[in-house]
Amino acid sequence: GAVVSQHPSRVICKSGTSVKIECRSLDFQATTMFWYRQFPKQSLMLMATSNEGSKATYEQGVEKDKFLINHASLTLSTLTVTSAHPEDSSFYICSASLNYVETQYFGPGTRLLVL
Amino acid sequence: AQKVTQAQTEISVVEKEDVTLDCVYETRDTTYYLFWYKQPPSGELVFLIRRNSFDEQNEISGRYSWNFQKSTSSFNFTITASQVVDSAVYFCALRNNRDDKIIFGKGTRLHILP
Repeated sequence: GAVVSQHPSRVICKSGTSVKIECRSLDFQATTMFWYRQFPKQSLMLMATSNEGSKATYEQGVEKDKFLINHASLTLSTLTVTSAHPEDSSFYICSASLNYVETQYFGPGTRLLVL
Repeated sequence: AQKVTQAQTEISVVEKEDVTLDCVYETRDTTYYLFWYKQPPSGELVFLIRRNSFDEQNEISGRYSWNFQKSTSSFNFTITASQVVDSAVYFCALRNNRDDKIIFGKGTRLHILP
């Protein structure tokens, strides 16, 4: 199957700093990428949908100014958590969708801990 | 509205027992897709199966089998002869054909005891 990578896999940062997470589709071009957040022992919640070359579409309740998403190419989307706070500590997972194919392929996730 | 319900929060069974994970979904769409994912402690989601709404055939893959029943809006997952390596959180998910968004259930945490 298609491979999606995320970098970094883990990050610890101080409160108030910004953190960038990369999501790459390694062997296919992803027209659409999705960003999810998963708190401990909870389900995955969709944060935003990112289409290459256009602005991301955010789900209700997700602050677009806090979670900046850039999808500059067909193989890379980035999520920047700006001015991170301890409540932003979570597991962030991206997925990428092949054009005209129904399956989304998920990255391995990034664990963010904000101190 | 779309919704996925996994009523079983946590299940523990002894190794070699069979176990069924329940999934009930709600959607107004006639075309949709159902998924099961496994999430081991490492966190990475492992894709198990995709089923579209027009294909009600049950599927078997090794020790895994799936029972899709549109009449009851259910897509249950059975593991036969469970093994310790099956211990994980299992998510059922639904995707409609309009916007590609996947909605996940809350997951069932499965413990296989040696």
